[in-house]
Amino acid sequence: QVHFVQSGAEVKKPGASVKVSCKASGYTFTSYNIHWLRQAPGQRPEWMGRISPGNGNTIYSQKFQGRVTFTRDTSATTVYMELNSLRSEDTAEYYCARIRTPSVLNDAFDIWGQGTMVTVSS
Amino acid sequence: DIVMTQSPDSLAVSLGERATINCKSSQSVLDRSGSKNYLAWYQQKPGQPPKLLVSWASTRESGVPDRFSGSGSATDFTLTISSLQAEDVAVYYCQHYSAPPWTFGQGTKVEIK
Repeated sequence: QVHFVQSGAEVKKPGASVKVSCKASGYTFTSYNIHWLRQAPGQRPEWMGRISPGNGNTIYSQKFQGRVTFTRDTSATTVYMELNSLRSEDTAEYYCARIRTPSVLNDAFDIWGQGTMVTVSS
Repeated sequence: DIVMTQSPDSLAVSLGERATINCKSSQSVLDRSGSKNYLAWYQQKPGQPPKLLVSWASTRESGVPDRFSGSGSATDFTLTISSLQAEDVAVYYCQHYSAPPWTFGQGTKVEIK
């Protein structure tokens, strides 16, 4: 069964960094692109970018460019999202999500992690 | 960036009645061949991640009840719930995936009248 398990909730102070993990299971980890999205309370989901676990290639939304980094550990079938210089507006639920078709760039998100709540507060 | 706009923001429908949600994109999300629309619909219930219902504007995902149907092309799309059930109470989002950044509509909250 295809499954994503994300790391637990985080509380951070403004200016700090956060690193969220997303462990995949039930499929060939290197074959499917994984995206990161976030959703502030009561808001629509917001796309942050994508990592290709096979070769580590990444693309980032311009909004987060320079402040976010995606990495992966193929032996642990895990991807990571690190967001720096946190501010209160970064308070949101962060999700990893899989593109449905292997080795394809443009497709819908069929599998989502359970979400990781990141709260930024002084 | 492609802006996705849904209407209405919320609607209340009686059990067994039809619910219709509209989604408009600021640019066409039709692929170059003119055969596929890069448009998906998701359902989100409180405390859960979004769930994929429809992709390619009209292809229902496996396991999704056939009361859910998607239609439309280019810039105008519709999600229809033909006979609303209690378990359909949720927020529904459209999303394009034609090119980055992928963007979502603001959501439509569906409730029981």
